[in-house]
Amino acid sequence: NAGVTQTPKFQVLKTGQSMTLQCAQDMNHEYMSWYRQDPGMGLRLIHYSVGAGITDQGEVPNGYNVSRSTTEDFPLRLLSAAPSQTSVYFCASSKPGTGGRDEQFFGPGTRLTVL
Amino acid sequence: GQQLNQSPQSMFIQEGEDVSMNCTSSSIFNTWLWYKQDPGEGPVLLIALYKAGELTSNGRLTAQFGITRKDSFLNISASIPSDVGIYFCAGVYNFNKFYFGSGTKLNVKP
Repeated sequence: NAGVTQTPKFQVLKTGQSMTLQCAQDMNHEYMSWYRQDPGMGLRLIHYSVGAGITDQGEVPNGYNVSRSTTEDFPLRLLSAAPSQTSVYFCASSKPGTGGRDEQFFGPGTRLTVL
Repeated sequence: GQQLNQSPQSMFIQEGEDVSMNCTSSSIFNTWLWYKQDPGEGPVLLIALYKAGELTSNGRLTAQFGITRKDSFLNISASIPSDVGIYFCAGVYNFNKFYFGSGTKLNVKP
């Protein structure tokens, strides 16, 4: 299994540009999420999905859109990039555990710079 | 929203020393997770804890699920240079509610 994969690994955008960060998992996990990581602030949840066709907002959703048309893929769209969106973005997936075993696995991250 | 307080924020230790870090919350969690993040990489799961009072080891790492379900501890024994990185705790409430601490940055001097 490849686990959670993310593309691209690095991206530079100009203010106002749009782009999509890709995330895919091959573990048949129902739950997927997007986080951003900024220095000294840990991981903040942007959006999450509990299954295909179902998405919801996290802690910092503004400026981002998501959709979940398949179990495997969960792309994150930046509609009009702003310098404040310069960050490292992580996608993660998990499967609601039997017996309460909930473990979330992360992709390698996308490092985004908005000029 | 839920807040996890992770401490210390950073540590500078000598190779061979033992390390302790912890996370506390005002809320109860059903699961506690500990992750390590190397520079330029995503967090990697180290230990998962599922029951209050549970003590689990993974090599030189030992973690405990606090009896009140509001805290968790991670200990690293006999640290080595490759232990350098940022360690995150995460509390899980229901299957899709993950809350992360702000991280403990560990530096190990050879």
